Amino acid sequence: DSGVTQTPKHLITATGQRVTLRCSPRSGDLSVYWYQQSLDQGLQFLIQYYNGEERAKGNILERFSAQQFPDLHSELNLSSLELGDSALYFCASSISGGDGYTFGSGTRLTVV
Amino acid sequence: QQPVQSPQAVILREGEDAVINCSSSKALYSVHWYRQKHGEAPVFLMILLKGGEQKGHDKISASFNEKKQQSSLYLTASQLSYSGTYFCGTAQSYGNNRLAFGKGNQVVVIP
Repeated sequence: DSGVTQTPKHLITATGQRVTLRCSPRSGDLSVYWYQQSLDQGLQFLIQYYNGEERAKGNILERFSAQQFPDLHSELNLSSLELGDSALYFCASSISGGDGYTFGSGTRLTVV
Repeated sequence: QQPVQSPQAVILREGEDAVINCSSSKALYSVHWYRQKHGEAPVFLMILLKGGEQKGHDKISASFNEKKQQSSLYLTASQLSYSGTYFCGTAQSYGNNRLAFGKGNQVVVIP
């Protein structure tokens, strides 16, 4: 157990639907990052939160949004889902910029 | 900007050595290395910071050439457990510590 908890582990949903992925960071970590991993693109940065505030945005689609709550857990919302959104979604947390990330076990999203 | 990792794949026998590389066209603050086994999450191995500081795994060594913006990970006396995909992640500044990851080096260690 890495200390970063992601739920659910697997999600199968239909095109056009909306899903919410949840992440609880490791105790003491203030930064949360979301990454999308697909076979051909590797790990693509989506968004970062630090202590409740959005810190950086990557190539996140407008159909996707995220937030970090006062207890530091984070949610990634994916809407109007398309087949191409099928991927592994990882959450990671860190203490600060000079430390490594701790990844959660990921949520495998399959859009059918 | 996504760093470039080479070689794409390496096959080596247990006990052999290998070097895998990560290059960036941008000036870097830090380079991270992670190993991911099939179906699992990436696991942190090491971070190399501008100025020479390193933090991480006792049994794996790495270097960071600031002039070339290149990092190398040295797999010495490889073990079967070293198999997996190695990702480097790069950050351009301390305040902007979101990582851009390369596409990975696949390493297979055979008996």
